Amino acid sequence: KQEVTQIPAALSVPEGENLVLNCSFTDSAIYNLQWFRQDPGKGLTSLLLIQSSQREQTSGRLNASLDKSSGRSTLYIAASQPGDSATYLCAVQGGSRLTFGEGTQLTVNP
Amino acid sequence: DAMVIQNPRYQVTQFGKPVTLSCSQTLNHNVMYWYQQKSSQAPKLLFHYYDKDFNNEADTPDNFQSRRPNTSFCFLDIRSPGLGDAAMYLCATSRDYPGLAGDGRYEQFFGPGTRLTVL
Repeated sequence: KQEVTQIPAALSVPEGENLVLNCSFTDSAIYNLQWFRQDPGKGLTSLLLIQSSQREQTSGRLNASLDKSSGRSTLYIAASQPGDSATYLCAVQGGSRLTFGEGTQLTVNP
Repeated sequence: DAMVIQNPRYQVTQFGKPVTLSCSQTLNHNVMYWYQQKSSQAPKLLFHYYDKDFNNEADTPDNFQSRRPNTSFCFLDIRSPGLGDAAMYLCATSRDYPGLAGDGRYEQFFGPGTRLTVL
């Protein structure tokens, strides 16, 4: 059974700092890995998708990497802003199912 | 804009009173999913459809049922809601299963969710 772990569970940083969120998964037989953002009481917004054959994806200030063999992914956020405050969820797709981690709650302080 | 729409956004029901949540999509995607997310927890897959083909997760309670009358709409029925069913219910779609493309390209797109309160 696939298990996804995100570390840290919560993170508070000053505005402008570069930061890294970590995701690990137990079964490397995945099709892709997605990073999502969730604001309080809202749905999920897809940030990045990395296919299993890819090593990284970039979108604006976000960069996500994937090391499938070691079961790890990182989400790098450059020059953080207060508007980045949210919960970030990592999810891996095996077969028809997405398995989620419990997320990292990020607070960026002005 | 093509999107995933959920109605209502907030639903309050009484203990044991049946409730139906709806999801619609304009993306013309083959796959539709229902997830349950309790406070501060990871979303948990309840079931999904590939077109009209229904797939139930093994640990989804019998209290939960779903209907997909056409490509655009999918419904989640909770027959007798209990206090433990209070949660955010998320609908998602994907164009296809990632394995069918062979390269994992098909991402899931989520709706805004319906927050269910059970009194």
